Amino acid sequence: EPEVTQTPSHQVTQMGQEVILRCVPISNHLYFYWYRQILGQKVEFLVSFYNNEISEKSEIFDDQFSVERPDGSNFTLKIRSTKLEDSAMYFCASSETSGGDGANVLTFGAGSRLTVL
Amino acid sequence: RKEVEQDPGPFNVPEGATVAFNCTYSNSASQSFFWYRQDCRKEPKLLMSVYSSGNEDGRFTAQLNRASQYISLLIRDSKLSDSATYLCVEHGSSNTGKLIFGQGTTLQVKP
Repeated sequence: EPEVTQTPSHQVTQMGQEVILRCVPISNHLYFYWYRQILGQKVEFLVSFYNNEISEKSEIFDDQFSVERPDGSNFTLKIRSTKLEDSAMYFCASSETSGGDGANVLTFGAGSRLTVL
Repeated sequence: RKEVEQDPGPFNVPEGATVAFNCTYSNSASQSFFWYRQDCRKEPKLLMSVYSSGNEDGRFTAQLNRASQYISLLIRDSKLSDSATYLCVEHGSSNTGKLIFGQGTTLQVKP
């Protein structure tokens, strides 16, 4: 079964450092997403990406965050200067469509756990 | 008001029991919903989509009540392996594909 792969699985960083989380979406998918989940809290939407541009972003996704699809397979999330509150599990996801009627099925990667000290 | 609300539980049930979870949503224009399952510290995995007429998949039945703006998930004949957190999810945007997650309901099935 096709899967979304994420690296690293766990990263520990110092506050103020830059972090890049990497994702390889499913190859025929066109829509890509980043979500995060702070320990004990709900999964929160960060950003969606289609046709090489951001299609929607949440209030969490401020100027410290950026996304990029540098080549045909990778999709990255960069946090420019990490804060303690950025500590969370970051999930990448991809889907074939964006539409409703149950057609928009997202497949999630296993996540990258970020710990900011 | 939260967009998607769920009772966090935990629901503790014996094997073989039938258990039901409800979820309410605030956007009356929302068209589609999902139930995802999340095991501890793992990624969410799609359990089933919820269509306007509801649907069934083996021991799992999902229903959508648009008038009352709630979605339900019924699990029959619970197995130990059903222990997990069940996430009620709203399809937030048909243009961008964004999903809006509830906080999840935790189910513990005991022998």
